[in-house]
Amino acid sequence: DSGVTQTPKHLITATGQRVTLRCSPRSGDLSVYWYQQSLDQGLQFLIQYYNGEERAKGNILERFSAQQFPDLHSELNLSSLELGDSALYFCASSVSGGKDTQYFGPGTRLTVL
Amino acid sequence: DQQVKQNSPSLSVQEGRISILNCDYTNSMFDYFLWYKKYPAEGPTFLISISSIKDKNEDGRFTVFLNKSAKHLSLHIVPSQPGDSAVYFCAATGAGSYQLTFGKGTKLSVIP
Repeated sequence: DSGVTQTPKHLITATGQRVTLRCSPRSGDLSVYWYQQSLDQGLQFLIQYYNGEERAKGNILERFSAQQFPDLHSELNLSSLELGDSALYFCASSVSGGKDTQYFGPGTRLTVL
Repeated sequence: DQQVKQNSPSLSVQEGRISILNCDYTNSMFDYFLWYKKYPAEGPTFLISISSIKDKNEDGRFTVFLNKSAKHLSLHIVPSQPGDSAVYFCAATGAGSYQLTFGKGTKLSVIP
């Protein structure tokens, strides 16, 4: 158990809908990262937050947004969902957001029908 | 443009033998490399890392070797155990960025 929690574990929804994925980092970790793993892709970095502020952006679509709250939990919002958004979404956390180890949650499997 | 490549999608090894997983990178600005292990229905678990100032790092049965001139790293598992059966991801970071760039993974099967 990495100490990073993600809810829900599974999510099934329809095209055009909007969903919110939630992540609670390990106790003491200030930085949160979101990754997407599609069927034929490795883990793709989406976005990083550090202590409530956006720090880095990767291959995140404009239809996706995220935020980190004062209690350091983070939410990833996916809107106008398309079939191709079906993937595993992982959250990771680290202490400082620098070159320290990122610890991953169990992931949320999103299925868009 | 895949900056981190794991060219072997799968690898089978007999229990007790050595497992060698390979990873190549193209971005010369990468200076910190990690290996993660992933079991089905779980998130990746950190295994071992190496900074570009070193060429080897060891942790128990796991050793990572880095060849900067060849832009190549490898993970050695000795001896391999059935519980090591998992997907192994190579990841890299650097160039002022702390995001990880992952390879597509190698599925290791250790046969009893």
